[in-house]
Amino acid sequence: GQNIDQPTEMTATEGAIVQINCTYQTSGFNGLFWYQQHAGEAPTFLSYNVLDGLEEKGRFSSFLSRSKGYSYLLLKELQMKDSASYLCAVKDSNYQLIWGAGTKLIIKP
Amino acid sequence: GAVVSQHPSWVICKSGTSVKIECRSLDFQATTMFWYRQFPKQSLMLMATSNEGSKATYEQGVEKDKFLINHASLTLSTLTVTSAHPEDSSFYICSAKKGLDTGELFFGEGSRLTVL
Repeated sequence: GQNIDQPTEMTATEGAIVQINCTYQTSGFNGLFWYQQHAGEAPTFLSYNVLDGLEEKGRFSSFLSRSKGYSYLLLKELQMKDSASYLCAVKDSNYQLIWGAGTKLIIKP
Repeated sequence: GAVVSQHPSWVICKSGTSVKIECRSLDFQATTMFWYRQFPKQSLMLMATSNEGSKATYEQGVEKDKFLINHASLTLSTLTVTSAHPEDSSFYICSAKKGLDTGELFFGEGSRLTVL
């Protein structure tokens, strides 16, 4: 079966760095996405990786290793507004999006 | 960027009634739109894929007669929850794919349905 694993919840301190991991087993691979979702709102796109390596976008970076079925989202200089759920999603060989359950990130002052 | 608008944001209805939710792509044409539902503290669950001018493709376990999807134009898809029951109360979200499949989906704001 297809499976995406990410931690349920993480806590970090304002101003610090946090890494949210995502491992996947899917039938084929056509890209991995990270989305941010604040409670009660729709997800917003953060990043897209299809090749191995690190993609940096301001305070957020996303890393992919296809051979390991692994990705992480790195958030630097954490702000209180970064408290949200972070969803990892993989597009499989049929171009269907398989969603992880999300990681709830709690930022403390 | 691209904008997807969903309406209504909130709806409360009585059990047994039907509710229609609209999803519009405001500044692009979307040949494919997706409908999700999300229960509290859970991930998005894909309900169906809506293609303009053809029947929607429903995921396993989703009742097509209960959740009617119409994608009549390149900018509008609708989800109608028929004969709603309290267990249908959920957060319904649509997304639209812009252009070729480069990956990014654009999401509507979501519609929170409460069935009394």
